Amino acid sequence: AQSVAQPEDQVNVAEGNPLTVKCTYSVSGNPYLFWYVQYPNRGLQFLLKYITGDNLVKGSYGFEAEFNKSQTSFHLKKPSALVSDSALYFCAVRVDTGGFKTIFGAGTRLFVKA
Amino acid sequence: IAGITQAPTSQILAAGRRMTLRCTQDMRHNAMYWYRQDLGLGLRLIHYSNTAGTTGKGEVPDGYSVSRANTDDFPLTLASAVPSQTSVYFCASSSDSAGRNEQFFGPGTRLTVL
Repeated sequence: AQSVAQPEDQVNVAEGNPLTVKCTYSVSGNPYLFWYVQYPNRGLQFLLKYITGDNLVKGSYGFEAEFNKSQTSFHLKKPSALVSDSALYFCAVRVDTGGFKTIFGAGTRLFVKA
Repeated sequence: IAGITQAPTSQILAAGRRMTLRCTQDMRHNAMYWYRQDLGLGLRLIHYSNTAGTTGKGEVPDGYSVSRANTDDFPLTLASAVPSQTSVYFCASSSDSAGRNEQFFGPGTRLTVL
């Protein structure tokens, strides 16, 4: 079955430290992968996407993500976390179910402590 | 109007009542989507529309209906609300109905069915 998983409900990191938010996927065909961020009482905002090309994708607010085909992963990373990065992060993948849809992971809450 | 607007912001509704959630976009995007967000479940697709005049069912369509009379508007109707429809509802749009591009989200409608 085609799916996307975020294995961690919550990630805690100290300000200034690197952060990683994990995502794994299972799709048929070439994957189209996305990361979104949601701040409290707001809609989701697009961070970055992978379609093809370089496995390291750079996005908004200093975030980047690494596509790993052999591990079917698309982990979100940032070299130095900020308190303002604290939010809910969603990984998403396009799937083909006889028509194209985007499915979202359950979300990972990131807490960055000062 | 800039981006996607949703109305109302929040609503408390008695079970059995009919309710329409409004969504309008000004980006001339072909594709529009309705999701519900529930704790621990991420976003689940209710209905979608790849272009004006067409609609399709998502993952959790029961109890909901949509229409797409024009490019800009995509209302979601609950014909007879039930408590399990208590959720936060997000409308989204995308320039690409094939899922290759990012989605833009509205601010959400928080619905409580009593």
